[in-house]
Amino acid sequence: DIQMTQSPSTLSASVGDRVTITCRASQSISSSLAWYQQKPGKAPKLLIYKASSLQSGVPSRFSGNGSGTEFTLTISSLQPDDFATYYCQQYNSYPYSFGQGTKLEIK
Amino acid sequence: EVQLVQSGAEVKKPGESLRISCKTSGYNFTNSWINWVRQMPGKGLEWMGRIDPGDSFTTYSPSFQGHVTISTDKSISTAYLHLSSLKPSDTAMFYCARGPLTGHNWFDPWGQGTLVIVSS
Repeated sequence: DIQMTQSPSTLSASVGDRVTITCRASQSISSSLAWYQQKPGKAPKLLIYKASSLQSGVPSRFSGNGSGTEFTLTISSLQPDDFATYYCQQYNSYPYSFGQGTKLEIK
Repeated sequence: EVQLVQSGAEVKKPGESLRISCKTSGYNFTNSWINWVRQMPGKGLEWMGRIDPGDSFTTYSPSFQGHVTISTDKSISTAYLHLSSLKPSDTAMFYCARGPLTGHNWFDPWGQGTLVIVSS
């Protein structure tokens, strides 16, 4: 099974900051990686697919990068609506797996 | 607009069984896979399995194999998650999510979630 490891687990930042979350796969997953945002009490929302493709309707301040085993999600200028938990997910092979999540908090 | 609408919250006793529904609309139901994801209280996301509504072929995570069954009713564009022999540790939020393309792919959109509480 492929293990996905996110870092950091918690990130404190301020509005306007540029932040980057890292996701590492235990083996190569090519570009089969998605990023989701989840707010308390809500379902996850797709942000990025194929490692770097921005989902329609998602603000351009979100971007994804990477391939193989190392991936990043960057938010170029944090907005109040961005404080949430973020998950990466590999869909290269079964069983699909998620990172443990990164909680983005207001500093 | 593609929508996945799940059935409401459930409270069950240990040993009971449960079926959660995920009614889809806005697309051809048989053209996209449906996945199920568990989220235990305060924890992360766990993929449980998926079904191809076109041929009802299923794949399960080894962590859930034998404890859950995924099925569909094509006539009403609805997928189901069946949970048997419930334990208090099955208390969780369950989400269905569409894989937009056939084959391995990402999840979008997601249902709103169904909270299951198992308690005596």
